[in-house]
Amino acid sequence: AQSVTQLGSHVSVSEGALVLLRCNYSSSVPPYLFWYVQYPNQGLQLLLKYTTGATLVKGINGFEAEFKKSETSFHLTKPSAHMSDAAEYFCAVSGTGGFKTIFGAGTRLFVKA
Amino acid sequence: DAGVTQSPTHLIKTRGQQVTLRCSPKSGHDTVSWYQQALGQGPQFIFQYYEEEERQRGNFPDRFSGHQFPNYSSELNVNALLLGDSALYLCASSLRGTSNEQFFGPGTRLTVL
Repeated sequence: AQSVTQLGSHVSVSEGALVLLRCNYSSSVPPYLFWYVQYPNQGLQLLLKYTTGATLVKGINGFEAEFKKSETSFHLTKPSAHMSDAAEYFCAVSGTGGFKTIFGAGTRLFVKA
Repeated sequence: DAGVTQSPTHLIKTRGQQVTLRCSPKSGHDTVSWYQQALGQGPQFIFQYYEEEERQRGNFPDRFSGHQFPNYSSELNVNALLLGDSALYLCASSLRGTSNEQFFGPGTRLTVL
């Protein structure tokens, strides 16, 4: 079975500050891990993914995430927040080559000027 | 290159009615997954279609059914609508029966009165 826990339903940062969104997962098989972003009234856009190989994954818009197997974590970071980063962020897990993707409940990011 | 498209954008139905939602996958993709996203929650996996067959199903009742056509487009049907079926329904496409890199459509907002 697989599950995802996103710590913090809301995160608020100042523009230019570090963004850290936390995600822990549970998986009985080697996981594939994803971060998606959702802007209001839109679908989901893939930010980055981990499948195999390098554990530090770089994505679009300056985001990156590190897969830490020992901590079962896949936290999302960005060194400097921009107003346009304000959105809902979802962490997700699927099994290697699997069909089903399990999403976390989401973290809404607020960016203050 | 067209991305994932969904129709209609919005839909209002009453309890007990039936609804059909449609999805066209991204060009070159052959796999379609459907998700239900209730307000303030993460997407929940309904089912996935590959090679015109349902490959895996989430925890949804038989009132939710689907179909995939030879051109890879897909329909989601929901019978005997309940108030709790009100949600954003997202379609995602991918390659070869996996969910390793899914592209999402903008969704269909279903309201059940």
